[in-house]
Amino acid sequence: KAGVTQTPRYLIKTRGQQVTLSCSPISGHRSVSWYQQTPGQGLQFLFEYFSETQRNKGNFPGRFSGRQFSNSRSEMNVSTLELGDSALYLCASSPQGRNQETQYFGPGTRLLVL
Amino acid sequence: AQSVTQLGSHVSVSEGALVLLRCNYSSSVPPYLFWYVQYPNQGLQLLLKYTSAATLVKGINGFEAEFKKSETSFHLTKPSAHMSDAAEYFCAVMRADKLIFGTGTRLQVFP
Repeated sequence: KAGVTQTPRYLIKTRGQQVTLSCSPISGHRSVSWYQQTPGQGLQFLFEYFSETQRNKGNFPGRFSGRQFSNSRSEMNVSTLELGDSALYLCASSPQGRNQETQYFGPGTRLLVL
Repeated sequence: AQSVTQLGSHVSVSEGALVLLRCNYSSSVPPYLFWYVQYPNQGLQLLLKYTSAATLVKGINGFEAEFKKSETSFHLTKPSAHMSDAAEYFCAVMRADKLIFGTGTRLQVFP
């Protein structure tokens, strides 16, 4: 099976702009989770989608949003970008998104906000 | 609340030496614990996971971890380090269907 794919791999934006990142899960996986990785805060959970519904949300401002399509592909959007949004954004998929399941990660999208 | 603590942000070993990366968890119920590895400019790759089936868990690339409830630990070990093991390692616990990560340990391997 193909792994989790994320596009684009690298992105440069300026403050105030918005950005959309895409994630395609492993075939058959219905849960997609997003994480932000920064040197200062480490790996932090953003949100999780299952069957096109946001089922879980981390402690991030409303500028961070996401959605999931019927084929389980997911997008996350960040509006009004700030310098502090520069990070590696990782998405992970699992069959049902339950505790005992393994989350498989994509290669990430590295976002630089100037 | 469940969380994990990784002791030592940097660990350096010589090639062929024992690798020991420490992880302690806090949990009131048996946790689901994971070790992931991240190579430069890549995502996270699962090394192994504990789901209460066995206390000694064997993973990929010769790594293993032992769940010790009395010590609330899940340390990662490898008998003999290889240059290719140089990477960042993350311990994580599943809480409410999401992963809570430790701060990571960067492993350096010297020839």
